[in-house]
Amino acid sequence: DAGVIQSPRHEVTEMGQEVTLRCKPISGHNSLFWYRQTMMRGLELLIYFNNNVPIDDSGMPEDRFSAKMPNASFSTLKIQPSEPRDSAVYFCATGQFSGNTIYFGEGSWLTVV
Amino acid sequence: AQSVAQPEDQVNVAEGNPLTVKCTYSVSGNPYLFWYVQYPNRGLQFLLKYITGDNLVKGSYGFEAEFNKSQTSFHLKKPSALVSDSALYFCAVSGGSNDYKLSFGAGTTVTVRA
Repeated sequence: DAGVIQSPRHEVTEMGQEVTLRCKPISGHNSLFWYRQTMMRGLELLIYFNNNVPIDDSGMPEDRFSAKMPNASFSTLKIQPSEPRDSAVYFCATGQFSGNTIYFGEGSWLTVV
Repeated sequence: AQSVAQPEDQVNVAEGNPLTVKCTYSVSGNPYLFWYVQYPNRGLQFLLKYITGDNLVKGSYGFEAEFNKSQTSFHLKKPSALVSDSALYFCAVSGGSNDYKLSFGAGTTVTVRA
């Protein structure tokens, strides 16, 4: 199994630009999570999808952040416009059903200058 | 609300010595408990989990963890640490099969010296 695939691995962008992060879940997994990791705040859950439907987006910082899951094989996290404080590592994680193990991708390392 | 505490920011041990990384949790109902490890510039890797059954859970790379309900703890252990075990370790808890939300601790940095 290829695991959770995230792209890009690294992104450096200028403030105000749009950033799109992508995630391909493990085949057969019906739960998908987007997390953000920073030194100051640790791991934060941004949004959770189940069967492609957003269930909980209470962790999304503000309207500049949006996430979609158009099908079972693909999800995006978009930041528009980006700000320096958005610099972080963004992880996608997927699992087979609620309450059980989730598996993380290698992360997208975002730097906004 | 559920939460996880990892009381030690850092743990330092010599190679060959036992390693323990502490974790306590707070959750209503029967918890699902997890340990993950993160190596530099990598994603989190699943080590082991407790859902039900034997309180001693064995996982990857020789790690094990003991669930203690009375002390609400789930400490990670390894009898003989390796330099390659140096990494960031996260404990996580969910409220059971109907709870999608995994709450992570702040992480403990383990350094194993040769």
